[in-house]
Amino acid sequence: EVQLVESGGGLVQPGGSLRLSCAASRFTFSNYWMSWVRQAPGKGLEWVANIKQDGNEKYYVDSVKGRFTISRDNAKNSLSLQMNSLRAEDTAVYYCARVDCSSTSCFPYFDSWGQGTLVTVSS
Amino acid sequence: DIQMTQSPSSLSASLGDRVTITCRASQSISRYLNWYQQKPGKAPNLLIYAASSLRSGVPSRFSGSGSGTDFTLTISSLQPEDSATYYCQQSYNTVMYSFGQGTKLEI
Repeated sequence: EVQLVESGGGLVQPGGSLRLSCAASRFTFSNYWMSWVRQAPGKGLEWVANIKQDGNEKYYVDSVKGRFTISRDNAKNSLSLQMNSLRAEDTAVYYCARVDCSSTSCFPYFDSWGQGTLVTVSS
Repeated sequence: DIQMTQSPSSLSASLGDRVTITCRASQSISRYLNWYQQKPGKAPNLLIYAASSLRSGVPSRFSGSGSGTDFTLTISSLQPEDSATYYCQQSYNTVMYSFGQGTKLEI
């Protein structure tokens, strides 16, 4: 069974930085696009960022562009999210998710999720 | 950006009821539409992908339909464990995925 384990969350002051990590196991990590999805307390899901298998394509939701950086280390089966200039509205549980496609044609979906790590931005 | 709008935002139904949740995209997304179930304190769980394909292991009482801009998730006979929040998600725009705001289902 696919395993994704996030870490690195915590309390940080506005304007501060935090780096989240996601350790992947039990699948060939380098074969998959990966994503970060967040959920503010009591709110819905928000896609944050995507990264291609080789790390050469990265996409972000507008609200984090220029502040967050997604990266991956395929040798270590690890996904990261560097978060700078944090704001109160970035407070959320951050999930690492694997992107898969149906076998016949590629309709992407999030088929595996980690348990999430809580980031709280507050003074 | 593609906006996803779900309705209703919440609903209450009884055991054995048939329930339908709708999701509308702000532009045509073909069949690039997925449905997730989320229970409190847990990560979301994929139910339906490509608008109507049931994920392996998901009970057959769940079904999805639609294409273009209008989609539905149907639960044919509600069970106690179906109490959850349901989200649609578009993957048509790989540059920017997006979710609906969620539908909270109480039984």
